[in-house]
Amino acid sequence: QKEVEQNSGPLSVPEGAIASLNCTYSDRGSQSFFWYRQYSGKSPELIMSIYSNGDKEDGRFTAQLNKASQYVSLLIRDSQPSDSATYLCAVSPGYSTLTFGKGTMLLVSP
Amino acid sequence: EPEVTQTPSHQVTQMGQEVILRCVPISNHLYFYWYRQILGQKVEFLVSFYNNEISEKSEIFDDQFSVERPDGSNFTLKIRSTKLEDSAMYFCASGAGLAGDYNEQFFGPGTRLTVL
Repeated sequence: QKEVEQNSGPLSVPEGAIASLNCTYSDRGSQSFFWYRQYSGKSPELIMSIYSNGDKEDGRFTAQLNKASQYVSLLIRDSQPSDSATYLCAVSPGYSTLTFGKGTMLLVSP
Repeated sequence: EPEVTQTPSHQVTQMGQEVILRCVPISNHLYFYWYRQILGQKVEFLVSFYNNEISEKSEIFDDQFSVERPDGSNFTLKIRSTKLEDSAMYFCASGAGLAGDYNEQFFGPGTRLTVL
């Protein structure tokens, strides 16, 4: 059974702070790792993808991957109230299905 | 920017009725998927479709479900005889399948299915 675990939150941070979201996965065969943002009642929106160990930065977002520890994280710098959403971690063995975690709710207060 | 579209946005049906959910994937994408999300729960994979055939399906995707790509643009999910527990948000996704993109999938806005 492939599992993706996330703390459900909510994670509350003040505006301008760094938000740190974490995810662990069970399938060692996973090759691709993704972070999606989902606003309430909306569809998942892809914000970051990472395939190699280490860090990947895109604007205010940094994804971190440690395959040995089966751990993926997402850092959001200079958090804004508009970042308030549920962040979904998803993993895939390749050109195949995505297995999602339940998501972490992020609340950014002004 | 190209996007996945889905119709209808909301479908209400009676238990036992057939429903067809429609999706137009991003043009030139090769991989197509259906996922569902029951209210308050995680997004779950249903089926993947590549080269005009199902490439993978989950335990949820039983004989009541079918998918079709009737033409070069549409991708449909049919539920033959709906049950109360089929009530969920259904998302279509597509992926380019390009070397190096490692299966990035882009989701449509979803169809909310309510079975009464």
